[in-house]
Amino acid sequence: EAQVTQNPRYLITVTGKKLTVTCSQNMNHEYMSWYRQDPGLGLRQIYYSMNVEVTDKGDVPEGYKVSRKEKRNFPLILESPSPNQTSLYFCASRLAGQETQYFGPGTRLLVL
Amino acid sequence: AQSVTQLDSHVSVSEGTPVLLRCNYSSSYSPSLFWYVQHPNKGLQLLLKYTSAATLVKGINGFEAEFKKSETSFHLTKPSAHMSDAAEYVCVVSYSNYQLIWGAGTKLIIKP
Repeated sequence: EAQVTQNPRYLITVTGKKLTVTCSQNMNHEYMSWYRQDPGLGLRQIYYSMNVEVTDKGDVPEGYKVSRKEKRNFPLILESPSPNQTSLYFCASRLAGQETQYFGPGTRLLVL
Repeated sequence: AQSVTQLDSHVSVSEGTPVLLRCNYSSSYSPSLFWYVQHPNKGLQLLLKYTSAATLVKGINGFEAEFKKSETSFHLTKPSAHMSDAAEYVCVVSYSNYQLIWGAGTKLIIKP
């Protein structure tokens, strides 16, 4: 089944404790991206990747890192999480040249 | 500046009555337009999209949307609401460089 998976789905952590949210897609998509969704603000792009080893900042990259060592994986790293990073995070992927994105189920993060 | 506005943060309708979720965009280009649906604890699912073909677009679950260039609108409608339609609906605009602009979302509430 073609899909985008994220893990974990739910995470509670404390300020400053490094964490990684994984994202994987099995559709051989070149483009992957991370969004955060906050009430009243809609989805905001954090980082995106056009292909392996090619990443770039989105609209709200501060406090986040990403890597794209393999085509299928695009982990989101929070080196030192803070409470303002409490949010719902979505990973998405699409084929290059296509507009339709496919989304993961979301990761709900609470930073205490 | 390019933007997308969902005029209602919440819409409440009775089961069996019509649904109207409004979306307006600002653009000097001809964009592609999407509606995504997000059910609780689930990821974003593409409902329908407009990409410069027919202005009336039919999507899944009985939803449809009409692209009106003169009004810069892409409102989502359904003739008869069902309880399972309760979800958040997000309007998205895509421009020629594949940049996506996300609406803030509209929560659809269905009353029995």
